[in-house]
Amino acid sequence: DAKTTQPTSMDCAEGRAANLPCNHSTISGNEYVYWYRQIHSQGPQYIIHGLKNNETNEMASLIITEDRKSSTLILPHATLRDTAVYYCIVRVDSGGAQKLVFGQGTRLTINP
Amino acid sequence: KAGVTQTPRYLIKTRGQQVTLSCSPISGHRSVSWYQQTPGQGLQFLFEYFSETQRNKGNFPGRFSGRQFSNSRSEMNVSTLELGDSALYLCASSRRQNTEAFFGQGTRLTVV
Repeated sequence: DAKTTQPTSMDCAEGRAANLPCNHSTISGNEYVYWYRQIHSQGPQYIIHGLKNNETNEMASLIITEDRKSSTLILPHATLRDTAVYYCIVRVDSGGAQKLVFGQGTRLTINP
Repeated sequence: KAGVTQTPRYLIKTRGQQVTLSCSPISGHRSVSWYQQTPGQGLQFLFEYFSETQRNKGNFPGRFSGRQFSNSRSEMNVSTLELGDSALYLCASSRRQNTEAFFGQGTRLTVV
């Protein structure tokens, strides 16, 4: 299984861009990078995913390096409600089954 | 559009009892997966169902089982409960396998 490495915690000022890095050096060519976040004791929330091109949606942008060994999730204008644990996941292709392998994630704190 | 619904939200059981948790996926979603979250082990994959068939199973003892009905609703069962089974149990649904998964709010099980 491709493994991801994320910083344990990060801080960001409200209104600034939050850039969350993720290393996935063993990623396979057909594996996607997914980002989820979990706000205290709630279910994880899907944010964005990508294969090799940069992606953007209403929540965030995902920048994947050309060699695909790392990626960065960008929250362009962080708010206090973005305080959460952010998980970077390389989706395991288990014969087509849906299986997400969560690591410890990055605890992002947005400060006023 | 209604999200993933898990019932009950909270449950207290005694050691040795069994418990059944329910998950109603988003309408049109056919894949349902289950996860256990504890402070010590984090989020761990339990199993996944697609079209009423278990497609993948995590590394949990046989006391943990599940099933999926023809309307895609899913149940998981834990028999002979142990104190260590106390956890937040999360259900996620996706339209089909290998697409983004959306999580419910979870069922918090406490075994006393």
